[in-house]
Amino acid sequence: AQRVTQPEKLLSVFKGAPVELKCNYSYSGSPELFWYVQYSRQRLQLLLRHISRESIKGFTADLNKGETSFHLKKPFAQEEDSAMYYCALSPYSGAGSYQLTFGKGTKLSVIP
Amino acid sequence: EAGVAQSPRYKIIEKRQSVAFWCNPISGHATLYWYQQILGQGPKLLIQFQNNGVVDDSQLPKDRFSAERLKGVDSTLKIQPAKLEDSAVYLCASSTFRGGNTGELFFGEGSRLTVL
Repeated sequence: AQRVTQPEKLLSVFKGAPVELKCNYSYSGSPELFWYVQYSRQRLQLLLRHISRESIKGFTADLNKGETSFHLKKPFAQEEDSAMYYCALSPYSGAGSYQLTFGKGTKLSVIP
Repeated sequence: EAGVAQSPRYKIIEKRQSVAFWCNPISGHATLYWYQQILGQGPKLLIQFQNNGVVDDSQLPKDRFSAERLKGVDSTLKIQPAKLEDSAVYLCASSTFRGGNTGELFFGEGSRLTVL
């Protein structure tokens, strides 16, 4: 069985400060990891996935298989980053469909 | 591109009553998911369809929940009879199913159910 743990329910940082949202997972196979975000009054949407290794809105996340972690980082927080962030895991699907297991989420609040 | 449509947005019922939620996925998306999100928790997968077939319904409480996706497009999730613990937001999501699938699920706005 797979599990995703986000230890912080709420994270408050000042504008311009670095941000790190923690995510740890447990899964016996090769997982694919994702970060989804939900801004106020908007739908849940994909932020980034570990396979693409890209930076989206200044956010990056590195998969650390040794520590089974996939922390989300941004060097300088902006007010528009305030949102609910969910880490999610899916078993590797190849060309198939995905089955996401979500963490409980971390609410990021950026203080002006 | 139109997004995933869900209705109703809000529903209040008394326990033991029944309720149905409807979802229309993005055109061409073969995979459709229903998630339950209880307040303070992340979304939990209830059922996954591939076209009109069920891929995974292992977490669907089948004594009271049912879902169907006739013709492989729209889907309906039904709860009968509802319990207090069914109060949650029911999210529908869809995705493509083919090589190059990015793993991106497109979510609807959700249907918020309150059971009194």
